[in-house]
Amino acid sequence: DVKVTQSSRYLVKRTGEKVFLECVQDMDHENMFWYRQDPGLGLRLIYFSYDVKMKEKGDIPEGYSVSREKKERFSLILESASTNQTSMYLCASSNLGLAFNEQFFGPGTRLTVL
Amino acid sequence: KQEVTQIPAALSVPEGENLVLNCSFTDSAIYNLQWFRQDPGKGLTSLLLIQSSQREQTSGRLNASLDKSSGRSTLYIAASQPGDSATYLCAVRKSTDKLIFGTGTRLQVFP
Repeated sequence: DVKVTQSSRYLVKRTGEKVFLECVQDMDHENMFWYRQDPGLGLRLIYFSYDVKMKEKGDIPEGYSVSREKKERFSLILESASTNQTSMYLCASSNLGLAFNEQFFGPGTRLTVL
Repeated sequence: KQEVTQIPAALSVPEGENLVLNCSFTDSAIYNLQWFRQDPGKGLTSLLLIQSSQREQTSGRLNASLDKSSGRSTLYIAASQPGDSATYLCAVRKSTDKLIFGTGTRLQVFP
């Protein structure tokens, strides 16, 4: 079974702090994704990566950065956390290719910024 | 711009009913469509993936159909159970690996 794990289920941080959210997948997937999920807005893509050291902006990259130093690990970084970044953050991974590539999700990290 | 809509937003049914969840999308040029289940406070679990060349996929009591030309997919749940209570999300994929999600249907099945 594909397993995508996220470093924390719940996080509470203060405004201005630098926050790291970690995601690890164990299926040798090329693609990894970070989403945030908010009531009424659904899931929105923040950043994604096709390969090590490669990254692409999603729909809402402002205020975030990412790092992919190893194939299995994709980190989301909030340089200076703000209250409007309080949200559920979901990581996903998939195989490279246009077809037959399901996305598999981690359990999510609920981040609260005070 | 691709938009994905799910109707109804919420549904409450008694146990044992067969039910249909709807997903519509505005741009029919998709590679595939994926249905997910999300339990409260949890991540997403992939249920079914339908390629653009396929008409339907089945897994147990779940059947998903795809009509690409009309921009619609349905998720059929047979003989619903309380354990089926969750939010169901559909997502379409276009020319990149990005998924575009609907806002979901919240299902409650009561005994």
